[in-house]
Parts: sequence; structure tokens; C-alpha cells
Amino acid sequence: GNSVTQMEGPVTLSEEAFLTINCTYTATGYPSLFWYVQYPGEGLQLLLKATKADDKGSNKGFEATYRKETTSFHLEKGSVQVSDSAVYFCALSRNTGFQKLVFGTGTRLLVSP
Amino acid sequence: DTEVTQTPKHLVMGMTNKKSLKCEQHMGHRAMYWYKQKAKKPPELMFVYSYEKLSINESVPSRFSPECPNSSLLNLHLHALQPEDSALYLCASSQVDGTPNTEAFFGQGTRLTVV
Repeated sequence: GNSVTQMEGPVTLSEEAFLTINCTYTATGYPSLFWYVQYPGEGLQLLLKATKADDKGSNKGFEATYRKETTSFHLEKGSVQVSDSAVYFCALSRNTGFQKLVFGTGTRLLVSP
Repeated sequence: DTEVTQTPKHLVMGMTNKKSLKCEQHMGHRAMYWYKQKAKKPPELMFVYSYEKLSINESVPSRFSPECPNSSLLNLHLHALQPEDSALYLCASSQVDGTPNTEAFFGQGTRLTVV
């Protein structure tokens, strides 16, 4: 079946540090890949996405590249801010008409000043 | 308007109560979803409606009863819940076209506490 594996958190960084959150997936065919962010007490917001191999999704300084050869979609940011503190979910969806998302377990990011 | 609106934001209910969660979107999306998220866990899919018809029920207990009265509205009727059903219930919507660019938009969720 389809599954997503994320690195365990929490990830604790100082402001302006470099961020990497690892994500690998298992799926048949060619899924679309997503990173969602959830701020405390809120719903999910789409951060970025990639729909085919070698695509790079980017938004608000965050980037992730769809690597089919390593089945990975690692999230990176060059310089984190305190406001980036949140839980980040990697997810995949098979393109079967509607979005049946399969989420990883989430990684909590804590950024201190 | 890229908003999915859920009401209420918070709900406390007893195990013998009947209540409903509501979700509304005006993006013209024809797929709507209910997810359940327990504390410190990822969201788990419960139901999918496509063109107002139930397409997926992920073996959800019958005390949860979804309803899609029209293309903009999605309800989740709750009856005889258990304390372990306490969670954040998230609604989402998306287009139904099977293209890789389809994107799901989530509401802010209803935080449900069963006492």
C-alpha cells in the first residue's frame, strides 16, 4: 500500500539555522507529493507540492524536490524564523480523481530566538 | 475565495447527545472529505464525497453519519459517541479531475470533546 515515513521530532533550531525534514514514500505508480503545515490550534495549510519526478515545489522560502530514484521529498529552508514553529506533514496522493491523502506522522519544528 | 469554513470551532458533547458538524465551501469543488486527527497524530481519512455521493467510507463506526446535501455543504452527524472519539475533525474540499494539480483545501477544524 501507499505510505509516508517522516523523521521523528521535535526538531529544535535557533533562528536563521538551516532546516531539513526528511520524508520518504512508498507508492505504486506516480503519486503527487505534498508538504502541509499545521500551526497550533489550526487546520492544515498546503505549503508546497510536486506532481512529477524532479519537480521542485517552493513557497515562503521552503523547498522540496521530488526524487523518484530515492523515493524522497525532503523539506528544506535556508534560514528558519520563530514564526515557522509548527508541525509539518509530508503526504502523498494517487491521482485517481480526488485527493485521497496519505500523511506521514508529522514533524514538530521548534525555532527559538 | 479559497476558504473552507467549519462550524462550530469547539464542541463538547455527552455520550447520549446528538450533534452535527458543518462544513461549507464556495470554490466549486465537487469532492469533500472528513478527516479525524487525534492529538499528536496525522489526519486520518474518514469519508469522501464525490459529486454529492459517498465514494469512500474508511470503515468508520455508524455513530458517525456523513451527509452531503448539496455541492457546497458537508455535514457529519454524531450520535452516541465515546470519549475516545474526542479529536480534531477536519473538513477538506478539492476538484475532481484526476490531474496532478488537484489540491485539497482544509478548514480550521472542529475540536470535539466527548464527556
